[in-house]
Amino acid sequence: DTEVTQTPKHLVMGMTNKKSLKCEQHMGHRAMYWYKQKAKKPPELMFVYSYEKLSINESVPSRFSPECPNSSLLNLHLHALQPEDSALYLCASSQALQLEFGETQYFGPGTRLLVL
Amino acid sequence: TQLLEQSPQFLSIQEGENLTVYCNSSSVFSSLQWYRQEPGEGPVLLVTVVTGGEVKKLKRLTFQFGDARKDSSLHITAAQPGDTGLYLCAGIGGGADGLTFGKGTHLIIQP
Repeated sequence: DTEVTQTPKHLVMGMTNKKSLKCEQHMGHRAMYWYKQKAKKPPELMFVYSYEKLSINESVPSRFSPECPNSSLLNLHLHALQPEDSALYLCASSQALQLEFGETQYFGPGTRLLVL
Repeated sequence: TQLLEQSPQFLSIQEGENLTVYCNSSSVFSSLQWYRQEPGEGPVLLVTVVTGGEVKKLKRLTFQFGDARKDSSLHITAAQPGDTGLYLCAGIGGGADGLTFGKGTHLIIQP
């Protein structure tokens, strides 16, 4: 099983709403990632969790709040988002945080988020 | 700051033609990956190249990692409409966190 699943597939929310994105993998990977991808742009790294601890926060605004409740799950809590936050949010996982020597990241299909 | 320059940014060719996509950097990466992404989907890994000078083949796709591990190329032979998509190169290592993505090549193969 090399699958990373993400729910929901699509999400529309207002600027005052609170919502959460979910990501799950059962490959025993200990590193999980959130990326943001705007249309026709490459993915941009947001957060990295290693062994359920936040290892990297790429200066992401506090209206995005990640959570890793266990080694298989990764959440992204959203609150008071802006229209410019509309994007495809991708989750990925890898065996370990060290990506040296060809460590593979597996991406989920993404959640398409629209903020109105 | 790690930078991967990918070219061309857009490419539209006829079915059956050959093409090459380039990924260049001034930084040395321990390995480099190529992904293909369909609209609204996550990137799907095509290949990882690790050794300088390495060449890998995946059916009609040939991937090469430069000797100095600063650049890579993707060559597609006899392109098919099913090859249409966004091709992303991503570097690993060199002091950066996670993957460093190139800007991508939007490839359209016209029947």
